Amino acid sequence: DVKVTQSSRYLVKRTGEKVFLECVQDMDHENMFWYRQDPGLGLRLIYFSYDVKMKEKGDIPEGYSVSREKKERFSLILESASTNQTSMYLCASTPSLGTSGNTGELFFGEGSRLTVL
Amino acid sequence: AQTVTQSQPEMSVQEAETVTLSCTYDTSENNYYLFWYKQPPSRQMILVIRQEAYKQQNATENRFSVNFQKAAKSFSLKISDSQLGDTAMYFCAFMRNDMRFGAGTRLTVKP
Repeated sequence: DVKVTQSSRYLVKRTGEKVFLECVQDMDHENMFWYRQDPGLGLRLIYFSYDVKMKEKGDIPEGYSVSREKKERFSLILESASTNQTSMYLCASTPSLGTSGNTGELFFGEGSRLTVL
Repeated sequence: AQTVTQSQPEMSVQEAETVTLSCTYDTSENNYYLFWYKQPPSRQMILVIRQEAYKQQNATENRFSVNFQKAAKSFSLKISDSQLGDTAMYFCAFMRNDMRFGAGTRLTVKP
């Protein structure tokens, strides 16, 4: 089974702190994604990555950055956390669409609930 | 960017009844994938069903089926014989190069 692991289920941080959210997948997937989930807004794409050291902005990249130094790991960074970044953060991965047998399905981690005080 | 719209924030259905969740999307692409994901209260997202845009036949997975209307850009999910375990948030999603989600529909199955 595909496993996507997010390092922290719950975090509480102070305004202005630098926050790292880590995500690791064990299926050699090319594509990795970071979403935030808020009630009434669904999942909004922050950043995604097609390959190592590659990244693309999603719909709401402001206030966030990402790092993909290794294929299995995709990190989300909040340079200076603010209260409006309190949210559930979901990481997901999938093989590239050209991969044989790829159904396009995203495999999700369990989520990281971040509270910024 | 593609947008996905779910116009029903909340729905409820009696156990064993049938319910349909609506989804529309906007794209200029011809080839893409559409999905319905389920998020139970435990919050792990689970794939329910997928549809490839080039296939005219509607996808079916046991009690779950879709009505895919490509020209209308509509992708509804029908759940037959609803069960208590179907209670969850349901998200419609569009995938071309990345995956975009709708705002979700909270479905409650009542005993």
